[in-house]
Amino acid sequence: EVQVVESGGGLVQPGGSLRLSCAASGFTFSKYYIYWIRQAPGKGLVYVSHTSPDGAATIYADSVKGRFTVSRDNAKNTLYLQMNSLRAEDTAVYFCARDSHRGGCMDVWGKGTRVTVSS
Amino acid sequence: DIVMTQSPDSLAVSLGERATINCKSSQSILSSSNNENFLGWYQQKPGQPPKLLIYWASTRESGVPDRFSGSGSGTDFTLTITNLQAEDVAVYYCHQYYSYPRTFGQGTRVEIK
Repeated sequence: EVQVVESGGGLVQPGGSLRLSCAASGFTFSKYYIYWIRQAPGKGLVYVSHTSPDGAATIYADSVKGRFTVSRDNAKNTLYLQMNSLRAEDTAVYFCARDSHRGGCMDVWGKGTRVTVSS
Repeated sequence: DIVMTQSPDSLAVSLGERATINCKSSQSILSSSNNENFLGWYQQKPGQPPKLLIYWASTRESGVPDRFSGSGSGTDFTLTITNLQAEDVAVYYCHQYYSYPRTFGQGTRVEIK
């Protein structure tokens, strides 16, 4: 089964750090771009990042640039989102999603992992 | 940034009737290189991740019922659900993948009347 599974969410204080993981299975992970998308409670979908298959290039949303860093380990079929200097407004469910190879739409989504930034 | 604006924010439709959701982009998302509109539609049910319904503005994803259809070009797009079923209750989002940052519409909630 083609799937991605996020993990690593939790409660963190403002200014703190967290690392999320996105584990892929059922497809050749190393050939796909991967997105991080987030959704604040009761709100819509917001783009966070888009990472190339080799991990060499990631384009970040302005709201996270300089605070978030994406890396990937293709040997482990896993993408990581290192989140530093977290703010209350980063509170959201974080989804990873596979870029479908059809221009950039997202065809495989994980169930998400919840991040809460609060003191 | 390309702003995606959906209308209406919500709508209630009787079972078996048609639901129409509009999406307008602040600039054209039609590519001159492949003549495709870089527009997708997603369905999100409560507590679930989004699901891709339509890509290239009008191509149905594999496994998606044919009561879902997409149309439009340039800056104006429409998702139509014909013969609305109870399982279609969800929030629907349009999404442009023409440029960075990728952006989404604010969502349209579809309910049963």
